[in-house]
Amino acid sequence: GAGVSQSPSNKVTEKGKDVELRCDPISGHTALYWYRQSLGQGLEFLIYFQGNSAPDKSGLPSDRFSAERTGGSVSTLTIQRTQQEDSAVYLCASSLALQGAGGNTIYFGEGSWLTVV
Amino acid sequence: AQSVAQPEDQVNVAEGNPLTVKCTYSVSGNPYLFWYVQYPNRGLQFLLKYITGDNLVKGSYGFEAEFNKSQTSFHLKKPSALVSDSALYFCAVRDAQTGANNLFFGTGTRLTVIP
Repeated sequence: GAGVSQSPSNKVTEKGKDVELRCDPISGHTALYWYRQSLGQGLEFLIYFQGNSAPDKSGLPSDRFSAERTGGSVSTLTIQRTQQEDSAVYLCASSLALQGAGGNTIYFGEGSWLTVV
Repeated sequence: AQSVAQPEDQVNVAEGNPLTVKCTYSVSGNPYLFWYVQYPNRGLQFLLKYITGDNLVKGSYGFEAEFNKSQTSFHLKKPSALVSDSALYFCAVRDAQTGANNLFFGTGTRLTVIP
């Protein structure tokens, strides 16, 4: 597609339920990122995928958070047993490969706005 | 370690006046520097970046930024502000030496252009 596509755009869930957030990156982009933006906060890096390499999971805040990327394209971020502090905007982004070209631009989707009640 | 500082949470400027949004960074190697803008209830939009070469970088919507290595700064500027420029602006850095996989973002500066 023309840009990074995320769904759902808005999600309200009850505390303790699991949620899945989906990201469809820009066609041809091999690098995919998930960030979290809490109210009034900057962007917090969560996870990075690059091609078939092992993902960089160093930013995941707890083991309730996981992500996968199937077929090198679409990615799903899963939050298990959601807590109120998980309420945030979850932003997906993609770029061309970073190796040897760390200046490649990262392009963001519109975000999935998660509210845990 | 890499870090970005945006010292001003809020910047107010009158329409038609020049605007500056400040950013300083810290990396162990050479930096790749980026500016993004976020309009209300939207994702981040790329404005411009510095990779190498000319220190003055021009980007979208008439914005520009100047890379200053000695001051480790990358301030965003525009000669004449528009009301439609009101938004949240993020500076970001990646360390070219460490090969970090992610961009490290500042906490953002909210720009308000007053008609």
